[in-house]
Amino acid sequence: GEDVEQSLFLSVREGDSSVINCTYTDSSSTYLYWYKQEPGAGLQLLTYIFSNMDMKQDQRLTVLLNKKDKHLSLRIADTQTGDSAIYFCAERPGGSYIPTFGRGTSLIVHP
Amino acid sequence: SQTIHQWPATLVQPVGSPLSLECTVEGTSNPNLYWYRQAAGRGLQLLFYSVGIGQISSEVPQNLSASRPQDRQFILSSKKLLLSDSGFYLCAWSVLHGYTFGSGTRLTVV
Repeated sequence: GEDVEQSLFLSVREGDSSVINCTYTDSSSTYLYWYKQEPGAGLQLLTYIFSNMDMKQDQRLTVLLNKKDKHLSLRIADTQTGDSAIYFCAERPGGSYIPTFGRGTSLIVHP
Repeated sequence: SQTIHQWPATLVQPVGSPLSLECTVEGTSNPNLYWYRQAAGRGLQLLFYSVGIGQISSEVPQNLSASRPQDRQFILSSKKLLLSDSGFYLCAWSVLHGYTFGSGTRLTVV
């Protein structure tokens, strides 16, 4: 079956790097996504990676994909207080339009 | 440009009352549309999805129903709300490289 796991909380100091990890089980995943949810708001697509890639960088964000271990990570460089939010990992299995979301990781950035 | 609208933003309804939440998208045709619920545990539960007008798939049995009367309109309904229907409801539509979410409706059933 499909399952996406991520830790529930991460606390970092402002200016440090944050690394949010995610594991998934469906080996047919074509796209993997990272979403950000601020309090009371909908989910905002941060970045995505296609399954034949192993890294993608976009400004302060770096996504690493280890397809063999089914492990996805999101690194946020120079974390700011505005980065405090819940981050969701999601995968889209091949041949499906239904994504599977993790439960979200609450990132807390403190001074 | 492609946008998604969801309303109302907040709603307080008594138990047993009906519900209608509306979602519309602009800037695309024949989108795949989704209704999710996010409960206190934060996970996203897929309620319904639709690949076309009048085509609704339900993921879990529940007190809710969905309809798609037009290509870019997706409606979530209930005839009689339960306390357990409280939550944050999100509409979304899919594009190749991701899913775009509406801003959500906070429903409190009292």
